Amino acid sequence: DVKVTQSSRYLVKRTGEKVFLECVQDMDHENMFWYRQDPGLGLRLIYFSYDVKMKEKGDIPEGYSVSREKKERFSLILESASTNQTSMYLCASSLWGQASPGGYTFGSGTRLTVV
Amino acid sequence: AQTVTQSQPEMSVQEAETVTLSCTYDTSESDYYLFWYKQPPSRQMILVIRQEAYKQQNATENRFSVNFQKAAKSFSLKISDSQLGDAAMYFCAYRSNFGNEKLTFGTGTRLTIIP
Repeated sequence: DVKVTQSSRYLVKRTGEKVFLECVQDMDHENMFWYRQDPGLGLRLIYFSYDVKMKEKGDIPEGYSVSREKKERFSLILESASTNQTSMYLCASSLWGQASPGGYTFGSGTRLTVV
Repeated sequence: AQTVTQSQPEMSVQEAETVTLSCTYDTSESDYYLFWYKQPPSRQMILVIRQEAYKQQNATENRFSVNFQKAAKSFSLKISDSQLGDAAMYFCAYRSNFGNEKLTFGTGTRLTIIP
């Protein structure tokens, strides 16, 4: 069963900590994405990557960075966590191009609480 | 930039009845994809149905069908014979067929099924 795996389902961190959220996919997908989900705001794109070592800013990149050293792994980094980064974080992957526009495959999310 | 609007934060329907969830979008492009995703309490986002803008025929997947009105930029989801397992958050999403492959999501509609 193909999947996207996020390393933590729940995470509690302190303000100012450096936080790493890990995402691994086993489908050989080129594209990987990080979204945050907040009530009333839907899903908002933080960063995405369409190849190893490539990254592009999404709609809300401030306070975040990403790393993609291997095709299957895409990490989201909160350099100095703040309470306004308390949220649900969703990772997703997809194939490149219109050959298979089946949308994304999502992980099951990491609920991060910053205290 | 494209935007997706879901004007119904919450909807409810009696089991076995039919319900329609609304979605409108704004774009200047002519070639794109539209999606409906379901997010049950397990948090796993699941693709329900997709529509390619150049296809006039409305997409159908079992009990799920869409009413795609390209000129009106409307993309509603109809769920027939509603079942308890349909209870979830439903997100409408847009993807351009040009450039990068990010999805733009609406704010979601929470669907409750009344037994």
